[in-house]
Amino acid sequence: QKEVEQDPGPLSVPEGAIVSLNCTYSNSAFQYFMWYRQYSRKGPELLMYTYSSGNKEDGRFTAQVDKSSKYISLFIRDSQPSDSATYLCAMKGRGANAGKSTFGDGTTLTVKP
Amino acid sequence: GAGVSQSPSNKVTEKGKDVELRCDPISGHTALYWYRQSLGQGLEFLIYFQGNSAPDKSGLPSDRFSAERTGGSVSTLTIQRTQQEDSAVYLCASSLAQDRNTEAFFGQGTRLTVV
Repeated sequence: QKEVEQDPGPLSVPEGAIVSLNCTYSNSAFQYFMWYRQYSRKGPELLMYTYSSGNKEDGRFTAQVDKSSKYISLFIRDSQPSDSATYLCAMKGRGANAGKSTFGDGTTLTVKP
Repeated sequence: GAGVSQSPSNKVTEKGKDVELRCDPISGHTALYWYRQSLGQGLEFLIYFQGNSAPDKSGLPSDRFSAERTGGSVSTLTIQRTQQEDSAVYLCASSLAQDRNTEAFFGQGTRLTVV
């Protein structure tokens, strides 16, 4: 079983919809949680970074972490066609494990005009 | 350039040949990471540099893979005797050592195809 499981999708929504992307994890040593957006044939782009349970908001994006349930989410409000991409969750530990991130396999999102 | 630069962008090589992939991080970034991404998959960690040293090379799949970093800047990932299963996109990322402890900026990747 993978340490990080991500809802596989694909996900297709109309423009303006609220999108929910989710990951679960099994390693309680994970302390830092990231969401990346990746357009086709491009490198990932860091969207959100959190290190504690709770919500973090940045514009139309909200990252939510529930360490007790080992569950993280990314919400996109008022979704736009330009949000169409693959979204990757990632997480890492501290100390000796601070270098390596473990990624989910990604969820492909299509926002239709 | 302002971003992480990787070269070549595409590489086709014959099975058994050696390849070198290059990463130029953002100037001043002391942390450098290598990952690879197979089609439709997430990123697989390979190695992490802090300055010129590699405190974590646990992700290198075999002794055919090696990486070095010189001058705290450019890094080279070398794959010897390439195999078809090495075909993937190899991604490099960099960040300031004290910058949120995460892979802040990725390059565009090198798409490696072993035929």
